Amino acid sequence: DGGITQSPKYLFRKEGQNVTLSCEQNLNHDAMYWYRQDPGQGLRLIYYSQIVNDFQKGDIAEGYSVSREKKESFPLTVTSAQKNPTAFYLCASRGGGIPGELFFGEGSRLTVL
Amino acid sequence: KQEVTQIPAALSVPEGENLVLNCSFTDSAIYNLQWFRQDPGKGLTSLLLIQSSQREQTSGRLNASLDKSSGRSTLYIAASQPGDSATYLCAPRGGGSEKLVFGKGTKLTVNP
Repeated sequence: DGGITQSPKYLFRKEGQNVTLSCEQNLNHDAMYWYRQDPGQGLRLIYYSQIVNDFQKGDIAEGYSVSREKKESFPLTVTSAQKNPTAFYLCASRGGGIPGELFFGEGSRLTVL
Repeated sequence: KQEVTQIPAALSVPEGENLVLNCSFTDSAIYNLQWFRQDPGKGLTSLLLIQSSQREQTSGRLNASLDKSSGRSTLYIAASQPGDSATYLCAPRGGGSEKLVFGKGTKLTVNP
């Protein structure tokens, strides 16, 4: 089935460690996104990519990094510079043209111990 | 900067009731608006997408309307069921922008 796969679903990290969250899509979508969700807040955009080998910072990019070497993959690295990394991370993708509907993966929950 | 407000923040209704969820946004220059559903601990599921040129979209028991000039969208759920219990989020996409701005959502509980 076509869709977006995020892994791992749950991840625990010690302070000072970098972690990488995986996002893979087989929808042949050009655009991919990473959002962060915290209790009581709306989703906030971390990074997005409209095409391979190109990506743009979102509203809260500090402490995060991404790469887009393949159309299907958009991994997110949470670095030790991110001060409050504990959150629910959501990956999304969007096809081109109309209607431009956004589809989401199941999310990855990161907990810093 | 686009700001999105969803009212009410939480809603509890008995099964079978028809209900309306509200979404308002400050910048009316939008390309489209999407409604999502989120179950606890899960990702978002797309429910309906309305283009800026459309007034409404329907899918089964769901109907979403858009009044771009007044910066409002509503999601109408007919004959609610316990399985409709979830958080509902709206997200307008600005014209020429890759960014969707999300509201904080309305948490719906449908009681059997």
